[in-house]
Parts: sequence; C-alpha cells; structure tokens
Amino acid sequence: GAGVSQSPSNKVTEKGKDVELRCDPISGHTALYWYRQSLGQGLEFLIYFQGNSAPDKSGLPSDRFSAERTGGSVSTLTIQRTQQEDSAVYLCASSLNGGLREKLFFGSGTQLSVL
Amino acid sequence: GDSVTQMEGPVTLSEEAFLTINCTYTATGYPSLFWYVQYPGEGLQLLLKATKADDKGSNKGFEATYRKETTSFHLEKGSVQVSDSAVYFCALLYNQGGKLIFGQGTELSVKP
Repeated sequence: GAGVSQSPSNKVTEKGKDVELRCDPISGHTALYWYRQSLGQGLEFLIYFQGNSAPDKSGLPSDRFSAERTGGSVSTLTIQRTQQEDSAVYLCASSLNGGLREKLFFGSGTQLSVL
Repeated sequence: GDSVTQMEGPVTLSEEAFLTINCTYTATGYPSLFWYVQYPGEGLQLLLKATKADDKGSNKGFEATYRKETTSFHLEKGSVQVSDSAVYFCALLYNQGGKLIFGQGTELSVKP
C-alpha cells in the first residue's frame, strides 16, 4: 500500500479481555516498530522487528504484551487480559532497512480504550 | 538513561505569532535529534531532523538547531498559521535500530 496501515482504528474492550492490533507496513520495508502513546506520557517504544533477526522486545511493559511478524510483513500486537492502564494509542511504523538515518513512516494508530 | 523533555502544553498562539517549543535531552554519545508532528486525526510524521552538533534542521518554515553545549533542540517558527495546530514531539535516536526516545509531546493551538 501507499502507507502504513493499522486496524482497527478504534477498539473498545472490557477489562480482562484479549485484543489484537494489526499493522501493515509499507511494501518492501524490512523494519517494523510498535509504539504506544498514552495520555500525557508521550510516545513509548514497545518492540522492533528487523528482517529475520530476533525482535527487540525491550520496551514491552509486561508479559501480557506480545507481537508477531509473519512472513516479514504484517505484524500483530496482542495484549492479553487487558487492564485500564493499557488504554492508549498504539502506533506502528516501518522503514526500509532500519538504518540509522532512515525515515520512519507511521500509521494513524489504533485507539484502544479499556473499560 | 536517555530521555527527552519538552515544554508543557497546550501552547495557544494567535496567527502570525512567533513559536518556540523547548526540547532538551540527556543521552550517552551523540544522538540524532528529530521533531515529529501529529495533525488532528492523522498519523505521526517527521517534521525535521539534525544528525550532529550545530546542524540546523528546517521544513515548512520550522527550524531547530542541535546544540550540544546546552543539550537542546528547540523548535521555532517565525509566523505560525492555523494549519500548524497539532501535537509536536521531540525525539532522539537511541541506537541503529531506529528506537526513538520521544518527549511527552506539546500541543499547539493557533487561533485566527
């Protein structure tokens, strides 16, 4: 596609339920990132995929969070047993090769609300 | 650890006013610095960047100079427009993997 696509754009769920957020990066981009933007907190790095390398999971806040990237393209971020503090905008970004000076292209995000 | 601190928002200005959004950072080594902008209802996009000390990034009338001596990267624009209303994020590049460290964001509202 022309840009990074995320779905759904909005998700409302009940506390304790599991949710899956999807990211479709720009075709041909090998690097994919997930960030979280909480109210008043700014952007927080979650996880980074680069090609076939093991992902950098250092930003995942707890073991309830996991992410996969199948076939080096689409990625799914899964949050199990959601809590109210998980409410945030989840942003996905991609870049061509993950290089130091490469531009990141961001999706429009998924607004997650945990009631 | 590495961190970025921005001035608190929201910032409200009249059209054609001068804008400054302060950004300071702490980092080991010499990171690259960025300003990202998020317009209402849109995704985040890169506004400008500077990759080494004394570099000036500029785009759409916005400027920011990488000041190593004051560890700052303040965003400026001489004459803001209503269309500049958005949230602005300062960020530094943590490592080669593109793991950006963001500030908390500053909301700018420009009134006609």
